[in-house]
Amino acid sequence: DIQMTQSPSSLSASVGDRVTITCQASQDIRKNLNWYQQKPGKAPKLLIYDASNLETGAPSRFSGSGSGTDFTFTISSLQPEDIATYYCQQYDNLPFTFGPGTKVDIK
Amino acid sequence: QVQLQESGPGLVKPSQTLSLTCTVSGGSISSGSYYWSWIRQPAGKGLEWIGRIYTSGSTNYNPSLKGRVTISVDTSKNQFSLKLTSVTAADTAVYYCASFRGSYDYWGQGTLVTVSS
Repeated sequence: DIQMTQSPSSLSASVGDRVTITCQASQDIRKNLNWYQQKPGKAPKLLIYDASNLETGAPSRFSGSGSGTDFTFTISSLQPEDIATYYCQQYDNLPFTFGPGTKVDIK
Repeated sequence: QVQLQESGPGLVKPSQTLSLTCTVSGGSISSGSYYWSWIRQPAGKGLEWIGRIYTSGSTNYNPSLKGRVTISVDTSKNQFSLKLTSVTAADTAVYYCASFRGSYDYWGQGTLVTVSS
């Protein structure tokens, strides 16, 4: 299985701050990576697909980059409604695997 | 807009079989080149991919579940189902159904299944 790691596991930032989360795959997954946002008690919601493409309807403050084994997810200006846990997910190889998540909080 | 809704027992006894159904609305389960999937999440933990079924009926499962999983589809009812045998407390989780076509763009709301006697 491809192992996905994320850092940090949690972060606290102020409204308006730029927030960056990294995701690393245990082997080359090309650009076959998605990012999801999950709020408490809710299903995950797709934000970024194919490493860098913004899902329709997702706010433009969310962005993604990377390829191969190293990926980055950025919130350009953190908003109160962005409090959530963020997961990366690879779909290059079965079984699909998710990162452990990064919990984002407001300072 | 495709919508998914999980249904099934919320409590299952150890060693028994967990059975869940996902009803798809707003589109045909037979069209759109989707993989219909199950994903679970133990309380306070991350997401685990269980498996998927294609519209043709072909399936893929997570080897970590050691052959306990079966996913099937009923196109006449626009539903797909999950069966997980020989459950233990470790199978207690919120179970989500979701559709995949390069990404998981549609999800059910999730259903909590507790394994306990």
